[in-house]
Amino acid sequence: DAGVTQSPTHLIKTRGQQVTLRCSPKSGHDTVSWYQQALGQGPQFIFQYYEEEERQRGNFPDRFSGHQFPNYSSELNVNALLLGDSALYLCASSGGGQGAVDTQYFGPGTRLTVL
Amino acid sequence: AQKVTQAQTEISVVEKEDVTLDCVYETRDTTYYLFWYKQPPSGELVFLIRRNSFDEQNEISGRYSWNFQKSTSSFNFTITASQVVDSAVYFCALSGEMGDYGGSQGNLIFGKGTKLSVKP
Repeated sequence: DAGVTQSPTHLIKTRGQQVTLRCSPKSGHDTVSWYQQALGQGPQFIFQYYEEEERQRGNFPDRFSGHQFPNYSSELNVNALLLGDSALYLCASSGGGQGAVDTQYFGPGTRLTVL
Repeated sequence: AQKVTQAQTEISVVEKEDVTLDCVYETRDTTYYLFWYKQPPSGELVFLIRRNSFDEQNEISGRYSWNFQKSTSSFNFTITASQVVDSAVYFCALSGEMGDYGGSQGNLIFGKGTKLSVKP
């Protein structure tokens, strides 16, 4: 049973560029959440997708956008990259169930460096 | 507002010592969920335990144990007879319920983490 997978593993971009990160959830999970983890800090919630819609969003600018596909996989897009966007981006998936509160399982992350 | 505080930034112990990682949380929700995750140098967050606010029973899993006390808003994690493989950053996290939404829970609020170094 494959866990949460993310691609790419590492990415180097320059300021002003755009980046797309990808995530495939754990089998049987239908909800995907994205987090940003700066060096030495705890992960910060970016947004969560369920049924192909953004259901909840953290305190991140509109430069951060996402998408969820019918197979539950998800993309995180960041436009107009800033140096401060350099971080580990973590994807987490969780199981579905009306009203259920499920544990989030994390992928290995994508390390983004903005130069 | 919800908040998680892990006051211990770094802890260093010698193998076989017991160590306790502290976690204090703040929330106005009557129903909430607490978690511990382990982050080894590889970077992936590994789920360790989840505790519901309405279940104050402590839990033991092998060398790991968790002490949940609503009266002090704490959810502490103890490793007994620590091993070098326990070296990692440990995060405590908090989540509330999603309300009327379908699907799984909302966002996790993480503490800043405690870096545990276990020396041989």
